[in-house]
Amino acid sequence: DVKVTQSSRYLVKRTGEKVFLECVQDMDHENMFWYRQDPGLGLRLIYFSYDVKMKEKGDIPEGYSVSREKKERFSLILESASTNQTSMYLCASSSWTGSRRYEQYFGPGTRLTVT
Amino acid sequence: AQTVTQSQPEMSVQEAETVTLSCTYDTSESDYYLFWYKQPPSRQMILVIRQEAYKQQNATENRFSVNFQKAAKSFSLKISDSQLGDAAMYFCAYRGNSGGSNYKLTFGKGTLLTVNP
Repeated sequence: DVKVTQSSRYLVKRTGEKVFLECVQDMDHENMFWYRQDPGLGLRLIYFSYDVKMKEKGDIPEGYSVSREKKERFSLILESASTNQTSMYLCASSSWTGSRRYEQYFGPGTRLTVT
Repeated sequence: AQTVTQSQPEMSVQEAETVTLSCTYDTSESDYYLFWYKQPPSRQMILVIRQEAYKQQNATENRFSVNFQKAAKSFSLKISDSQLGDAAMYFCAYRGNSGGSNYKLTFGKGTLLTVNP
């Protein structure tokens, strides 16, 4: 089974702190994604990566950056956390190939609270 | 840009009954993929079912089936013999197959399904 893990289930940070959210997948997937999930808004894509060191902005990249130094790991960085970044953050991965191509596999999520 | 609309923020169903969740989407592409994802309370999001647009046959997975109407751009999910474990938020998602849309999924805002015993 595909496994996507995220470094923390719950995180509380202060305004202005630099925050790192880590995601690791074990299925050699090429693509990795970061979403934020807010009630009534569904999932919104922040950034995605289709290869090591490659990244593309999603729909709401402002205030975020990402890093993908290894294929299995995709990090989301909040350079200076703000209260409006309080949210659930979901990581996902997918492959270009195989019978289950394009299906995204999700991690358990990190609920971030910025105070 | 593609959009996905789930017009029912909340639905409820009696255990053992059938429920249908609606999803419509807007696209100019002819080749694409559609998905239904399930997110149980405080649990991980998982894929329920997928449909390739070029396939005319509706996908089924056990008690879950879809009604895919390509011309109407409609992709509804039917859950038969509903069980308590089906209670979750359900998201409809679209993936294009060309240009800048071929990396990401576009999600609807979700339908919260309650199953009553």
